[in-house]
Amino acid sequence: DGGITQSPKYLFRKEGQNVTLSCEQNLNHDAMYWYRQDPGQGLRLIYYSQIVNDFQKGDIAEGYSVSREKKESFPLTVTSAQKNPTAFYLCASIGRGNQPQHFGDGTRLSIL
Amino acid sequence: DQQVKQNSPSLSVQEGRISILNCDYTNSMFDYFLWYKKYPAEGPTFLISISSIKDKNEDGRFTVFLNKSAKHLSLHIVPSQPGDSAVYFCAASLNYGGSQGNLIFGKGTKLSVKP
Repeated sequence: DGGITQSPKYLFRKEGQNVTLSCEQNLNHDAMYWYRQDPGQGLRLIYYSQIVNDFQKGDIAEGYSVSREKKESFPLTVTSAQKNPTAFYLCASIGRGNQPQHFGDGTRLSIL
Repeated sequence: DQQVKQNSPSLSVQEGRISILNCDYTNSMFDYFLWYKKYPAEGPTFLISISSIKDKNEDGRFTVFLNKSAKHLSLHIVPSQPGDSAVYFCAASLNYGGSQGNLIFGKGTKLSVKP
């Protein structure tokens, strides 16, 4: 089945540690996105990539980094510089034209 | 400043009745609007969309209405079912030459449908 796979579903980070969240899609979509959701909040855009080897900062990129070496993969690293990383992280992708974004099932990141 | 606003954090409706979820936006350049449904610990799933050239789009029990002059859209669910209980997000975007721009999301409305 085609879709977006995020892993792990739950992740714990120690103080001062970097962690990487995985996002893989087999939909042959060009554009991929990372969002953060906090309780009672909408989805806020962290980073996005319209094409391989290119990515752009979203509204809340500080403390995060990404790479887009392959079309299928868009990993997100939460660095130690992100002081409030506890949140639900969602990855999405979209094909060409006027289409809705498809989302993965998310990764919940917590601090130990 | 929020460009997409869902002013009702929650809504409770009786099963079988109509649910109306509202969304307001400030950027008159937005030309594509979507509704997503989200269950806890899952990613949002796409429900229905509408282009700014239309004022209504219907898909089964779900209808989205767009009032461009008021910068307002609404999602109607008729009849409401307990399985519709979820958080509903409104989103808007700009189209650039046929390619969809980034989505701007509202904060969501939690719908509870009581049996």
